[in-house]
Amino acid sequence: DGGITQSPKYLFRKEGQNVTLSCEQNLNHDAMYWYRQDPGQGLRLIYYSQIVNDFQKGDIAEGYSVSREKKESFPLTVTSAQKNPTAFYLCASSIGLADYNEQFFGPGTRLTVL
Amino acid sequence: GQNIDQPTEMTATEGAIVQINCTYQTSGFNGLFWYQQHAGEAPTFLSYNVLDGLEEKGRFSSFLSRSKGYSYLLLKELQMKDSASYLCAVIRGDYKLSFGAGTTVTVRA
Repeated sequence: DGGITQSPKYLFRKEGQNVTLSCEQNLNHDAMYWYRQDPGQGLRLIYYSQIVNDFQKGDIAEGYSVSREKKESFPLTVTSAQKNPTAFYLCASSIGLADYNEQFFGPGTRLTVL
Repeated sequence: GQNIDQPTEMTATEGAIVQINCTYQTSGFNGLFWYQQHAGEAPTFLSYNVLDGLEEKGRFSSFLSRSKGYSYLLLKELQMKDSASYLCAVIRGDYKLSFGAGTTVTVRA
């Protein structure tokens, strides 16, 4: 079955530690995205990638980093510079960045920083 | 900045109809999505509007008025499984998505 996987579903880290969230897709999509979701707020775009070896900052990129070495994979690193890292993180992909391309979402990773 | 407004919560009875409104003010507009999200799960696609008018898909319909910066999602013949959060998302001029905070719909027996 084609889809997007994120692991783990729940992640706990101590303050000051970097943590990497994985996102893999087998939909053969060119574009991939990372969002965070906080209670009472809409999803906010962290980073996106239109193609392998290219990525762009979204609306709230500070304290995060990404890489896109393979078409299938778009890992997100939450660094110690991110002031409020506890959130629900969603990865998504679409055929391309064009306006009509529906984004498919992974199941999400809930990160809690203690 | 981007501004997308939806009601926070709505409650309706099984079998009834509910209309979720979404108003938006964004830097450019290239279309609007509605997504459904059950608690703790991924959003799933419901509808896409880019032209004015009504798009119908089974029990769900979505309407768009670009001149008014307004959309609504209509859920008919409500079922218990429709209890979820409904997200309005606008495709901005830079082709990125801006999301509303979501409307939590509770369906009661």
